[in-house]
Amino acid sequence: DGGITQSPKYLFRKEGQNVTLSCEQNLNHDAMYWYRQDPGQGLRLIYYSQIVNDFQKGDIAEGYSVSREKKESFPLTVTSAQKNPTAFYLCASSPLGSSTDTQYFGPGTRLTVL
Amino acid sequence: AQKITQTQPGMFVQEKEAVTLDCTYDTSDPSYGLFWYKQPSSGEMIFLIYQGSYDQQNATEGRYSLNFQKARKSANLVISASQLGDSAMYFCAMREGSFGQFYFGTGTSLTVIP
Repeated sequence: DGGITQSPKYLFRKEGQNVTLSCEQNLNHDAMYWYRQDPGQGLRLIYYSQIVNDFQKGDIAEGYSVSREKKESFPLTVTSAQKNPTAFYLCASSPLGSSTDTQYFGPGTRLTVL
Repeated sequence: AQKITQTQPGMFVQEKEAVTLDCTYDTSDPSYGLFWYKQPSSGEMIFLIYQGSYDQQNATEGRYSLNFQKARKSANLVISASQLGDSAMYFCAMREGSFGQFYFGTGTSLTVIP
């Protein structure tokens, strides 16, 4: 089945450590996105990419980094520079070329800093 | 200015009744898409319904309908015959043009009362 996978589902990190969240899609979508969601809050855009080897910062990119070496993959690294990384992280993808196309979301990763 | 505004943090509805979740948007782009998503407590984001800026008729998908008032820049979600499983967070989103990022509102928490 086509879809978006994120791993791991739960992730625990010690302060000062970098961690990488995985996001893979087999929908052949050009665009991929990373969002952060805090309890009771909406989605805030971290980074997005519309083409391989290119990506743009979203509203809250500080302390995060991404790569887009393959169309299918868009990993997010939470660096030690992110002061409050405990949150729910959602990856999404969408086609490009039409405003009618929705985003498809992965199941999310819950990151907790110990 | 906020691109998407959802002014109802929480709503309650009696089972089998209809409920309207409000959403207003702000854009100067003549081409845009409006989306509603449901997020149950499990965290997954489920696409519900889409409305295009050039669509003449309001979108409908089963029990979901979108009350699109272009001049007022509103795109309210109407859920008819509410069910207990409708209890969730609901997010309104907008995409400008065919290549832009998605903008999300802060969400409305809906609770269906038996």
